[in-house]
Amino acid sequence: DAKTTQPNSMESNEEEPVHLPCNHSTISGTDYIHWYRQLPSQGPEYVIHGLTSNVNNRMASLAIAEDRKSSTLILHRATLRDAAVYYCILRDGMGKGSRLTFGEGTQLTVNP
Amino acid sequence: GAVVSQHPSWVICKSGTSVKIECRSLDFQATTMFWYRQFPKQSLMLMATSNEGSKATYEQGVEKDKFLINHASLTLSTLTVTSAHPEDSSFYICSAKTGTGGWNEQFFGPGTRLTVL
Repeated sequence: DAKTTQPNSMESNEEEPVHLPCNHSTISGTDYIHWYRQLPSQGPEYVIHGLTSNVNNRMASLAIAEDRKSSTLILHRATLRDAAVYYCILRDGMGKGSRLTFGEGTQLTVNP
Repeated sequence: GAVVSQHPSWVICKSGTSVKIECRSLDFQATTMFWYRQFPKQSLMLMATSNEGSKATYEQGVEKDKFLINHASLTLSTLTVTSAHPEDSSFYICSAKTGTGGWNEQFFGPGTRLTVL
């Protein structure tokens, strides 16, 4: 599985935008970029995913670099409920080995 | 989004006993289910992948005789921790997805906290 690199932790203030970076320099052409987040003592929650183009949904936006070697998860207005560990994960789109393998993620702290 | 449930949400057992954890996809049929384990302050570790009606595929280092996985239907998978010991105490999380493509969303259950005394 291709590896991703994320900062261990980040801080933000409430109602400000948050940009969570992820490096994936060994990404293959068929890898999808998935983002999940996990609150304490809960299962991970799907946030967003994409392949090449930027993606938006009600939770967040995903900006993918043109060479796909990095991506950024954007939370437009952080709330206290967004405090969680955010995981950037690559998954092969070709089916075989299409499992999610979690790295260490980024612990996001949101200050009131 | 789709819902995955787990039962029980927590369990305490004595060393040497077996514990079964159920995972259900409530409103969709899961072609593939996954079992993860998470120790405190660590990331999720994939234990095994199972397809309905097939034997589970275990990750390297995971004892298949200790962690028995059954995926008898498209909505139910079970994980049985046999002869549990205190080092098996952990947070067990199941996950389910439809389809085989990497674009398919994967939905996670709320987790089961296992404590072995």
